[in-house]
Amino acid sequence: KAGVTQTPRYLIKTRGQQVTLSCSPISGHRSVSWYQQTPGQGLQFLFEYFSETQRNKGNFPGRFSGRQFSNSRSEMNVSTLELGDSALYLCASSLLERGGDTQYFGPGTRLTVL
Amino acid sequence: QKEVEQDPGPLSVPEGAIVSLNCTYSNSAFQYFMWYRQYSRKGPELLMYTYSSGNKEDGRFTAQVDKSSKYISLFIRDSQPSDSATYLCAMNWGAQKLVFGQGTRLTINP
Repeated sequence: KAGVTQTPRYLIKTRGQQVTLSCSPISGHRSVSWYQQTPGQGLQFLFEYFSETQRNKGNFPGRFSGRQFSNSRSEMNVSTLELGDSALYLCASSLLERGGDTQYFGPGTRLTVL
Repeated sequence: QKEVEQDPGPLSVPEGAIVSLNCTYSNSAFQYFMWYRQYSRKGPELLMYTYSSGNKEDGRFTAQVDKSSKYISLFIRDSQPSDSATYLCAMNWGAQKLVFGQGTRLTINP
């Protein structure tokens, strides 16, 4: 079974631009979560989607948004990019509806903001 | 104070040594505990998952959870150079939001 895939793998943007990242979960997985990883803050939860609905949200500004499609694929969008948004953005999928289920991560999208 | 504390290392040990990695946490609501391994420029890979106090073994890896002390550990026996990576503890309380430790960078020297 194919793992979690993320596209693109690398992105370079300039301040003020916006960016959209894509995530395809493991087949059959309905929950998709997004995380930001930086050297200073480590891995931080952004949000989680299940059945096209955002169920949980982390402490990030409104510039960070996401959505999930009926086939469970998910996108996240960052508007008005700032230098501090440079990070590895990771997507994780899990099978079950309830919390506590194991999450499987994709390879990430490395975003550099210049 | 962070919800999950993990010594970032770096930790360097000789091949064959037993490695002990640890995390402490402050939120007693955490019920599910995981260890992930992350190689450079890759996504985290799930190693161990447990939801109860006690030990869980999988090959050379043993995960230990002590909820009374709010302390979890990962032991690696017969460590190999291929085990060199960053090890992340993670936990949650029933929502899909994982709270991670800072990660410990481990190097196994041949």
